[in-house]
Amino acid sequence: GENVEQHPSTLSVQEGDSAVIKCTYSDSASNYFPWYKQELGKGPQLIIDIRSNVGEKKDQRIAVTLNKTAKHFSLHITETQPEDSAVYFCAAARQGGSEKLVFGKGTKLTVNP
Amino acid sequence: SAVISQKPSRDICQRGTSLTIQCQVDSQVTMMFWYRQQPGQSLTLIATANQGSEATYESGFVIDKFPISRPNLTFSTLTVSNMSPEDSSIYLCSVPTVAGELFFGEGSRLTVL
Repeated sequence: GENVEQHPSTLSVQEGDSAVIKCTYSDSASNYFPWYKQELGKGPQLIIDIRSNVGEKKDQRIAVTLNKTAKHFSLHITETQPEDSAVYFCAAARQGGSEKLVFGKGTKLTVNP
Repeated sequence: SAVISQKPSRDICQRGTSLTIQCQVDSQVTMMFWYRQQPGQSLTLIATANQGSEATYESGFVIDKFPISRPNLTFSTLTVSNMSPEDSSIYLCSVPTVAGELFFGEGSRLTVL
């Protein structure tokens, strides 16, 4: 089955710097890759996703890149703000849908003011 | 996106008892998913709740321990039976959109003493 590895497990940056979180997956049939942000005491919130027919997607300060050949995808946050502090999870699934999402172990991002 | 409400938001239970968690969605959905998030860990799929049929459980999860009901297209319950401290987790309900995105409720935080 699918296995998703996520790095780093913790990341600390200064406000205004960029943050990058990387994930690799094992199932070459996976073609849907969402990213979730989980703040303390809340459920995971979908912040961006990418499908395998696209190499990069941007939404304001957030971007995701996908390299299907290498089977890895990354989350990029620019101009980080203290409210970006949270745990971020990557995930992967087949068939372009949300069925049976397999999640990475999470990255705890701390943005220092 | 769907509005997903879970009850209870948190509870403290005694070993050996059972707790039923409710999930209500503001729109009709074919599938609902139940996830478990153990302390400081990632999300693991417990089962898929299908309306009108038995739930489909993932490896490592059994119906006797986690019975699920799905009486209609907007509601589901997950029961955690005969609880032990190892069952202390966040239990999350999630639903897919027609676009294949997966949205989560805020979770039910369960502590078993």
